[in-house]
This record gives sequence, C-alpha cells and structure tokens, in this order.
Amino acid sequence: DADVTQTPRNRITKTGKRIMLECSQTKGHDRMYWYRQDPGLGLRLIYYSFDVKDINKGEISDGYSVSRQAQAKFSLSLESAIPNQTALYFCATKRTDSTDTQYFGPGTRLTVL
Amino acid sequence: GENVEQHPSTLSVQEGDSAVIKCTYSDSASNYFPWYKQELGKGPQLIIDIRSNVGEKKDQRIAVTLNKTAKHFSLHITETQPEDSAVYFCAVGAGSYQLTFGKGTKLSVIP
Repeated sequence: DADVTQTPRNRITKTGKRIMLECSQTKGHDRMYWYRQDPGLGLRLIYYSFDVKDINKGEISDGYSVSRQAQAKFSLSLESAIPNQTALYFCATKRTDSTDTQYFGPGTRLTVL
Repeated sequence: GENVEQHPSTLSVQEGDSAVIKCTYSDSASNYFPWYKQELGKGPQLIIDIRSNVGEKKDQRIAVTLNKTAKHFSLHITETQPEDSAVYFCAVGAGSYQLTFGKGTKLSVIP
C-alpha cells in the first residue's frame, strides 16, 4: 500500500552495528506497528504505538527499540544488530476504530552478517 | 495469549480448482478474523475479513466461513487462477489493537 512507506527497502549490515528502519504513513492513522517475518513463523509483533506518547512492547521486543516521532512516523532501531535479527520487517497502521484492519507497508529486508 | 494454527503450510492446485485454507484459534473472546495475501516482495494485503456476528462472507471468488463454537474459520478460493499464487495468512483479533497471525500457507496454482 503506497500510503505506508518503509525505508530502506533492503539493508545489509554487520554484527554490532546500530541500524534504524523507518516507517511513514499518509493514512492519518493513530496506531502503528512493527512486525518481523521469518520463513515458517508468520508475522510476529515487535512493538506497537497507539499515539506519540503511547508505546508498547509486543511479543518479541528484546533487542529492539522504537521511536514515534510524529503521528505519521514510527522508527524501529536495532541498537547492536546480531545475525538472528536477519528477517523481513513490516510496518503497519490502523485507525483507532476497532472495526478497521491493519494496513502494511512493503517491508524492509534486513541482513545482519 | 491467543494461539492461531493454520493449515496446510503449502497447497498446490490446478488452475480452475478450488483451494481451502483453515485456521483455528484458542481465545473465545476473539471477534475479528481477517485474511491477508502476500505476493513476492510485497507486504500483506487484506483480501477479506469477517466479524464474529457473521458466519460467512463472500467477495467474488473468495469466501470466508466462521464457526465460533468450534473456534475455526476458513478461506475458500474458487476457480483459482495463476495470479492467486501467493502466501496467505489468517489472523485473529480480540480487541481493538492487536492481531495474532497464523504461520502462512503458500498457495501455488498450476496452469
């Protein structure tokens, strides 16, 4: 969905490096999410945010941190990347209305050597 | 927490045949059941969803059925076409903010 953009789309980094993945949305949604996708494991929630001042840990938050700089921007950081953080990372957004679904960005493929 | 099981993990069908993917869940309070399609190199896209007050929903060749008593729901694709080839994920929502996803089904439609 072009309304949710992620940068970079691909990134190769080395063990121990700090890396930031960025997500921007023009949908005007309050809620934003970061997921990790691994083959055979589906999508697992890392962090989610209801608004700029409300950030919550998901299922697999260890080794990650996030920043909600504005309603439209939600960044995911790996403070010291390790090889098992090699994965596809997706950002998603959602309206506050519980009847709406989540809308995903195109993903970032991260490789940690 | 919620546990979502999705089967099968891979599915191959001949073009024109039907495909069925099934998911079970554990939390009886769950009330929202979307299905996503993920094409290669793209993020998941919603294709159909159903809420707990409805037993079945159709959208052209796609349908979803829900059995709340048994805690399972299924995706049905009829008259499959090569462009239906993708990974399909079910998900379950039990509140207004979080979804739990199945592990995905890779569907291959053979021309």
